[in-house]
Amino acid sequence: GAGVSQSPSNKVTEKGKDVELRCDPISGHTALYWYRQSLGQGLEFLIYFQGNSAPDKSGLPSDRFSAERTGGSVSTLTIQRTQQEDSAVYLCASSLRPGSNQPQHFGDGTRLSIL
Amino acid sequence: DQQVKQNSPSLSVQEGRISILNCDYTNSMFDYFLWYKKYPAEGPTFLISISSIKDKNEDGRFTVFLNKSAKHLSLHIVPSQPGDSAVYFCAASAGHAQGGSEKLVFGKGTKLTVNP
Repeated sequence: GAGVSQSPSNKVTEKGKDVELRCDPISGHTALYWYRQSLGQGLEFLIYFQGNSAPDKSGLPSDRFSAERTGGSVSTLTIQRTQQEDSAVYLCASSLRPGSNQPQHFGDGTRLSIL
Repeated sequence: DQQVKQNSPSLSVQEGRISILNCDYTNSMFDYFLWYKKYPAEGPTFLISISSIKDKNEDGRFTVFLNKSAKHLSLHIVPSQPGDSAVYFCAASAGHAQGGSEKLVFGKGTKLTVNP
């Protein structure tokens, strides 16, 4: 597709359940990023992929959060045993390649609500 | 510790006038700065960027100014249009200083309203 695609667009789940969020980056973009935006806050970095490896996981808030990327394309962010504080909009971005001052292009996000 | 600050949560201007959005940063390792525009229920849309080797970058109605000594950047929109009404986020990256990830550090945003 032309842009970054994320699914689902909305997810409501009960506390304690696991959720999986998906991101399809722009074709040919080697760098992929996950961010989240909590209510009234700016975007907060979670994890960065270059190809299939994740050299920077420094933003993952706890070991309940994990992510993977396969085939240098699609990425999934998994949150286990969800808590109410996990409620946020989860945004994925991709860029052509790191180290070249290329802008990151964002999807429309997944709005996650934990009941 | 907020490394990128947008101290004005909101700004209101008249159509046709100039909008000036401000951003301050604290990390001297930042070398790439971006502005994003965000409408409700959509992802941020890239607007304009500037490298630390420059002090000005212009693209149509949008100009970004960088003052490295003051650790300050601003986005000027001239002339402002009602369709510019959105939340504007300032973001910064330290590039290779962060091990090459170029993760973005965002401010909390400024809501711009352009009145007809």
